[in-house]
Amino acid sequence: GQNIDQPTEMTATEGAIVQINCTYQTSGFNGLFWYQQHAGEAPTFLSYNVLDGLEEKGRFSSFLSRSKGYSYLLLKELQMKDSASYLCAVRALSVHTGDFKTIFGAGTRLFVKA
Amino acid sequence: DVKVTQSSRYLVKRTGEKVFLECVQDMDHENMFWYRQDPGLGLRLIYFSYDVKMKEKGDIPEGYSVSREKKERFSLILESASTNQTSMYLCASTDNRGRSQETQYFGPGTRLLVL
Repeated sequence: GQNIDQPTEMTATEGAIVQINCTYQTSGFNGLFWYQQHAGEAPTFLSYNVLDGLEEKGRFSSFLSRSKGYSYLLLKELQMKDSASYLCAVRALSVHTGDFKTIFGAGTRLFVKA
Repeated sequence: DVKVTQSSRYLVKRTGEKVFLECVQDMDHENMFWYRQDPGLGLRLIYFSYDVKMKEKGDIPEGYSVSREKKERFSLILESASTNQTSMYLCASTDNRGRSQETQYFGPGTRLLVL
């Protein structure tokens, strides 16, 4: 089957660095996404990894290891506005339909405190 | 910028009512999706469409139907609303071009309460 695991909640301090982990089990892997979702709002795209390694985009970086089925999102210089849920999503080939589909994790709620 | 809009932000309906949720995107995207989001369960795919008049079942299609008569519009229909369909409903669209292939652009969501 296909499964995505990420911690339910994390707390970090303003100005610090936080790493949000995501592990997945899937066949036909074709890319991993991270989305940010503020309370009551829609998810917005943060990053996309399809090859192993680190992708850096400003204060946010995302890492992927396909052999380990593992990714993390790294947030640096945390700001209060970074308090949100962070969704890990995997794009994979559906063995039933032969089409690609995106599977979302339940999300990690990050609290940034002063 | 991609813009995905949904017809209502908040909706209250009674059990047994027929409910229409509308989604419109303005970037000529081929693919459109309907999800529901519930605490602790993440986003679950209800239906999706890769083209006009085309639809595919997602993971939880029971109790729902969809319509895609025009490329920019994807409607979710609850034929007879039930209380377990109380949820946040999110529409998304993607294009098939370039490295951002399958990056999902979401609408603002519709929070539906079924009494």
